Amino acid sequence: AQSVAQPEDQVNVAEGNPLTVKCTYSVSGNPYLFWYVQYPNRGLQFLLKYITGDNLVKGSYGFEAEFNKSQTSFHLKKPSALVSDSALYFCAVRDMGAYSGAGSYQLTFGKGTKLSVIP
Amino acid sequence: NAGVTQTPKFRILKIGQSMTLQCTQDMNHNYMYWYRQDPGMGLKLIYYSVGAGITDKGEVPNGYNVSRSTTEDFPLRLELAAPSQTSVYFCATSGVGTGELFFGEGSRLTVL
Repeated sequence: AQSVAQPEDQVNVAEGNPLTVKCTYSVSGNPYLFWYVQYPNRGLQFLLKYITGDNLVKGSYGFEAEFNKSQTSFHLKKPSALVSDSALYFCAVRDMGAYSGAGSYQLTFGKGTKLSVIP
Repeated sequence: NAGVTQTPKFRILKIGQSMTLQCTQDMNHNYMYWYRQDPGMGLKLIYYSVGAGITDKGEVPNGYNVSRSTTEDFPLRLELAAPSQTSVYFCATSGVGTGELFFGEGSRLTVL
């Protein structure tokens, strides 16, 4: 079974400071890892993904994430936070080795971390 | 392109009523999903489909049904609404590949 943990319900950071949103995962095989962002009353939007290759992945809006296999982590980072980054962030995982019958791409999501950037 | 469109955006139901949440996509994706989002609980998969005529249960299917007669449409039906089904429902799609999901804007359902 695959699972994701986001250990912080909320992260507060001052505008202009670096931010980190934490994510750890558990899969039996190798992972596909994703970050999504949700603004109030909106659907989830894709930010970035790790499939294979370079452990540092760059995505939308200046976000990046670092894959660490030994620590089974995939933390989301940004060098300088903006007030407009305030939102709910979800980490998700799919086991590359998993094959669910008819070949669906089932993602397992974390519970989400609310990021508040303070002006 | 509209992407993934969900209707209605909001709905209030009485206990025992039935309704259908509509989802349509113009991305020509084979895979479609229904998730529910509850505060502090993340997203839970209700049902998914890998193509027209093929559907399967996710993590929390009880109380729901789906159908997939076309590539574009994937409606979710609640037969006998219960207060536990009060939630925000998201439809999503993905193409063949690494499984990146594209979400609709959500449907907020309240059962009283």
